[in-house]
Amino acid sequence: GAVVSQHPSRVICKSGTSVKIECRSLDFQATTMFWYRQFPKQSLMLMATSNEGSKATYEQGVEKDKFLINHASLTLSTLTVTSAHPEDSSFYICSARWGVGDTEAFFGQGTRLTVV
Amino acid sequence: KQEVTQIPAALSVPEGENLVLNCSFTDSAIYNLQWFSQDPGKGLTSLLLIQSSQREQTSGRLNASLDKSSGRSTLYIAASQPGDSATYLCAVSSTGGFKTIFGAGTRLFVKA
Repeated sequence: GAVVSQHPSRVICKSGTSVKIECRSLDFQATTMFWYRQFPKQSLMLMATSNEGSKATYEQGVEKDKFLINHASLTLSTLTVTSAHPEDSSFYICSARWGVGDTEAFFGQGTRLTVV
Repeated sequence: KQEVTQIPAALSVPEGENLVLNCSFTDSAIYNLQWFSQDPGKGLTSLLLIQSSQREQTSGRLNASLDKSSGRSTLYIAASQPGDSATYLCAVSSTGGFKTIFGAGTRLFVKA
Protein backbone atom coordinates (compact mmCIF):
# COMPACT_ATOMS: atom_id res chain seq x y z
CA GLY A 1 0.00 0.00 0.00
CA ALA A 2 0.91 3.64 -0.24
CA VAL A 3 3.00 5.26 2.48
CA VAL A 4 1.99 8.19 4.67
CA SER A 5 4.63 9.56 6.99
CA GLN A 6 4.01 11.65 10.09
CA HIS A 7 6.58 13.72 11.93
CA PRO A 8 7.36 13.91 14.74
CA SER A 9 6.25 10.62 16.26
CA ARG A 10 6.40 12.10 19.76
CA VAL A 11 6.56 15.67 20.99
CA ILE A 12 6.49 17.32 24.39
CA CYS A 13 5.77 21.02 24.59
CA LYS A 14 5.15 23.58 27.27
CA SER A 15 1.68 24.90 27.92
CA GLY A 16 0.98 28.01 25.87
CA THR A 17 3.34 27.18 23.02
CA SER A 18 2.44 25.97 19.54
CA VAL A 19 3.46 22.72 17.93
CA LYS A 20 3.36 21.65 14.30
CA ILE A 21 2.76 18.11 13.07
CA GLU A 22 3.57 17.15 9.48
CA CYS A 23 1.84 14.56 7.35
CA ARG A 24 3.44 13.54 4.06
CA SER A 25 2.33 11.20 1.32
CA LEU A 26 5.57 9.66 0.10
CA ASP A 27 4.59 7.88 -3.09
CA PHE A 28 1.34 9.42 -4.23
CA GLN A 29 -0.35 12.78 -4.53
CA ALA A 30 -2.80 13.31 -1.71
CA THR A 31 -5.76 15.27 -2.98
CA THR A 32 -7.44 15.00 0.42
CA MET A 33 -5.99 14.61 3.89
CA PHE A 34 -7.78 13.95 7.16
CA TRP A 35 -6.73 14.65 10.73
CA TYR A 36 -7.89 12.53 13.66
CA ARG A 37 -7.44 12.78 17.40
CA GLN A 38 -7.45 9.86 19.80
CA PHE A 39 -7.67 10.22 23.57
CA PRO A 40 -6.51 7.33 25.78
CA LYS A 41 -8.71 4.26 25.50
CA GLN A 42 -10.99 6.00 23.00
CA SER A 43 -11.40 5.67 19.28
CA LEU A 44 -10.21 7.99 16.53
CA MET A 45 -12.34 11.11 16.15
CA LEU A 46 -12.22 12.98 12.85
CA MET A 47 -11.15 16.58 13.40
CA ALA A 48 -11.01 18.00 9.90
CA THR A 49 -10.77 17.32 6.19
CA SER A 50 -8.41 19.28 3.99
CA ASN A 51 -8.23 19.45 0.23
CA GLU A 52 -5.08 20.69 -1.45
CA GLY A 53 -5.22 24.43 -1.97
CA SER A 54 -8.46 24.91 -0.05
CA LYS A 55 -9.43 25.76 3.49
CA ALA A 56 -9.96 22.81 5.77
CA THR A 57 -13.44 21.70 6.77
CA TYR A 58 -13.70 21.14 10.50
CA GLU A 59 -15.99 18.73 12.29
CA GLN A 60 -18.47 20.09 14.78
CA GLY A 61 -16.87 21.00 18.07
CA VAL A 62 -13.33 21.35 16.72
CA GLU A 63 -11.88 24.86 17.09
CA LYS A 64 -10.47 25.94 13.75
CA ASP A 65 -8.48 28.78 15.30
CA LYS A 66 -6.79 26.40 17.69
CA PHE A 67 -6.06 23.59 15.25
CA LEU A 68 -4.63 25.22 12.14
CA ILE A 69 -4.48 22.99 9.10
CA ASN A 70 -2.50 23.78 5.99
CA HIS A 71 -2.54 21.64 2.86
CA ALA A 72 -0.43 23.72 0.52
CA SER A 73 0.91 20.91 -1.64
CA LEU A 74 -0.26 17.53 -2.87
CA THR A 75 2.18 15.72 -0.62
CA LEU A 76 2.14 17.70 2.61
CA SER A 77 -0.42 18.75 5.19
CA THR A 78 0.38 20.28 8.55
CA LEU A 79 -1.59 20.52 11.77
CA THR A 80 -0.54 23.26 14.18
CA VAL A 81 -1.88 23.12 17.70
CA THR A 82 -1.78 26.72 18.87
CA SER A 83 -1.49 27.83 22.50
CA ALA A 84 -1.43 24.22 23.58
CA HIS A 85 -2.88 23.19 26.93
CA PRO A 86 -2.57 19.91 28.83
CA GLU A 87 -6.04 18.90 27.67
CA ASP A 88 -4.73 18.95 24.08
CA SER A 89 -2.43 16.06 24.96
CA SER A 90 -3.51 13.29 22.66
CA PHE A 91 -2.55 10.99 19.82
CA TYR A 92 -2.97 12.70 16.45
CA ILE A 93 -3.18 10.64 13.24
CA CYS A 94 -3.44 11.79 9.66
CA SER A 95 -4.66 9.96 6.60
CA ALA A 96 -4.38 10.75 2.92
CA ARG A 97 -6.31 9.86 -0.23
CA TRP A 98 -5.55 10.46 -3.86
CA GLY A 99 -8.00 11.45 -6.53
CA VAL A 100 -11.65 12.26 -6.24
CA GLY A 101 -14.16 9.68 -5.18
CA ASP A 102 -13.96 6.27 -3.58
CA THR A 103 -10.21 5.78 -3.25
CA GLU A 104 -8.57 4.13 -0.28
CA ALA A 105 -7.25 6.27 2.57
CA PHE A 106 -3.80 5.50 3.96
CA PHE A 107 -2.85 6.33 7.52
CA GLY A 108 0.24 7.77 9.15
CA GLN A 109 1.70 6.22 12.27
CA GLY A 110 0.54 9.01 14.52
CA THR A 111 2.05 11.69 16.74
CA ARG A 112 1.91 11.52 20.52
CA LEU A 113 1.58 15.08 21.85
CA THR A 114 2.16 15.76 25.53
CA VAL A 115 1.62 19.27 26.83
CA VAL A 116 3.22 19.97 30.20
CA LYS B 1 -24.33 11.31 9.82
CA GLN B 2 -22.52 7.99 9.77
CA GLU B 3 -22.26 6.19 13.10
CA VAL B 4 -20.19 3.06 13.62
CA THR B 5 -20.78 0.69 16.51
CA GLN B 6 -18.61 -2.21 17.58
CA ILE B 7 -19.63 -5.09 19.80
CA PRO B 8 -18.33 -6.33 22.15
CA ALA B 9 -16.32 -3.50 23.66
CA ALA B 10 -13.92 -5.98 25.22
CA LEU B 11 -13.29 -9.67 24.90
CA SER B 12 -11.04 -12.13 26.72
CA VAL B 13 -10.58 -15.61 25.28
CA PRO B 14 -8.22 -18.55 25.79
CA GLU B 15 -5.59 -19.22 23.18
CA GLY B 16 -6.79 -21.28 20.23
CA GLU B 17 -10.37 -20.11 20.31
CA ASN B 18 -12.14 -18.85 17.21
CA LEU B 19 -13.88 -15.52 17.67
CA VAL B 20 -16.08 -12.99 15.91
CA LEU B 21 -16.00 -9.23 16.25
CA ASN B 22 -18.99 -7.23 15.10
CA CYS B 23 -19.32 -3.84 13.45
CA SER B 24 -22.50 -2.04 12.43
CA PHE B 25 -23.00 1.24 10.62
CA THR B 26 -26.04 3.44 10.14
CA ASP B 27 -25.57 4.73 6.58
CA SER B 28 -25.23 2.04 3.92
CA ALA B 29 -23.88 4.54 1.35
CA ILE B 30 -20.30 3.40 1.81
CA TYR B 31 -17.53 2.64 -0.65
CA ASN B 32 -15.35 0.56 1.62
CA LEU B 33 -14.94 -0.81 5.12
CA GLN B 34 -11.63 -1.51 6.76
CA TRP B 35 -10.52 -3.40 9.82
CA PHE B 36 -7.46 -2.25 11.76
CA SER B 37 -5.62 -3.41 14.81
CA GLN B 38 -3.92 -1.07 17.25
CA ASP B 39 -1.56 -1.78 20.12
CA PRO B 40 -1.73 0.61 23.10
CA GLY B 41 -0.10 3.92 22.27
CA LYS B 42 0.76 2.83 18.74
CA GLY B 43 -0.47 3.55 15.24
CA LEU B 44 -2.89 1.57 13.11
CA THR B 45 -2.17 -1.68 11.33
CA SER B 46 -4.44 -2.30 8.38
CA LEU B 47 -5.82 -5.86 8.42
CA LEU B 48 -8.45 -6.11 5.72
CA LEU B 49 -10.15 -3.74 3.29
CA ILE B 50 -13.51 -4.66 1.78
CA GLN B 51 -14.86 -2.68 -1.14
CA SER B 52 -18.61 -2.02 -1.17
CA SER B 53 -19.04 -4.44 -4.08
CA GLN B 54 -17.40 -7.28 -2.17
CA ARG B 55 -18.89 -9.57 0.46
CA GLU B 56 -15.74 -10.79 2.15
CA GLN B 57 -11.98 -10.66 2.30
CA THR B 58 -9.52 -13.15 3.77
CA SER B 59 -5.96 -12.85 4.97
CA GLY B 60 -4.40 -15.75 6.80
CA ARG B 61 -6.43 -16.47 9.93
CA LEU B 62 -8.61 -13.42 9.38
CA ASN B 63 -11.85 -13.25 7.45
CA ALA B 64 -13.99 -10.14 7.18
CA SER B 65 -17.50 -10.08 5.77
CA LEU B 66 -19.65 -7.18 4.66
CA ASP B 67 -23.43 -6.94 4.35
CA LYS B 68 -23.85 -3.40 3.14
CA SER B 69 -27.63 -3.44 2.94
CA SER B 70 -27.99 -4.38 6.59
CA GLY B 71 -25.08 -2.19 7.68
CA ARG B 72 -22.99 -4.96 9.20
CA SER B 73 -19.52 -6.39 9.07
CA THR B 74 -17.84 -9.15 11.03
CA LEU B 75 -14.21 -9.96 11.58
CA TYR B 76 -13.55 -13.63 12.19
CA ILE B 77 -10.27 -14.62 13.82
CA ALA B 78 -9.41 -18.30 13.69
CA ALA B 79 -7.21 -20.10 16.22
CA SER B 80 -6.49 -16.98 18.24
CA GLN B 81 -2.99 -16.42 19.63
CA PRO B 82 -1.67 -14.20 22.45
CA GLY B 83 -0.04 -12.04 19.78
CA ASP B 84 -3.51 -11.19 18.48
CA SER B 85 -4.18 -9.20 21.67
CA ALA B 86 -4.92 -5.62 20.57
CA THR B 87 -7.75 -3.22 19.96
CA TYR B 88 -9.59 -3.92 16.72
CA LEU B 89 -11.11 -0.96 14.95
CA CYS B 90 -13.75 -0.96 12.24
CA ALA B 91 -13.63 2.04 9.89
CA VAL B 92 -16.25 2.94 7.30
CA SER B 93 -15.67 5.26 4.35
CA SER B 94 -18.86 6.91 3.16
CA THR B 95 -19.64 8.19 -0.28
CA GLY B 96 -21.00 11.39 1.26
CA GLY B 97 -17.89 13.50 1.85
CA PHE B 98 -15.61 10.47 1.50
CA LYS B 99 -14.79 10.57 5.19
CA THR B 100 -13.59 7.55 7.14
CA ILE B 101 -15.41 7.12 10.45
CA PHE B 102 -14.19 4.76 13.15
CA GLY B 103 -16.00 2.62 15.65
CA ALA B 104 -14.98 2.68 19.30
CA GLY B 105 -13.12 -0.60 18.93
CA THR B 106 -13.07 -4.02 20.55
CA ARG B 107 -10.26 -4.68 23.02
CA LEU B 108 -9.19 -8.29 22.62
CA PHE B 109 -7.08 -10.22 25.12
CA VAL B 110 -5.99 -13.72 24.23
CA LYS B 111 -4.78 -15.69 27.22
CA ALA B 112 -1.89 -18.12 26.85
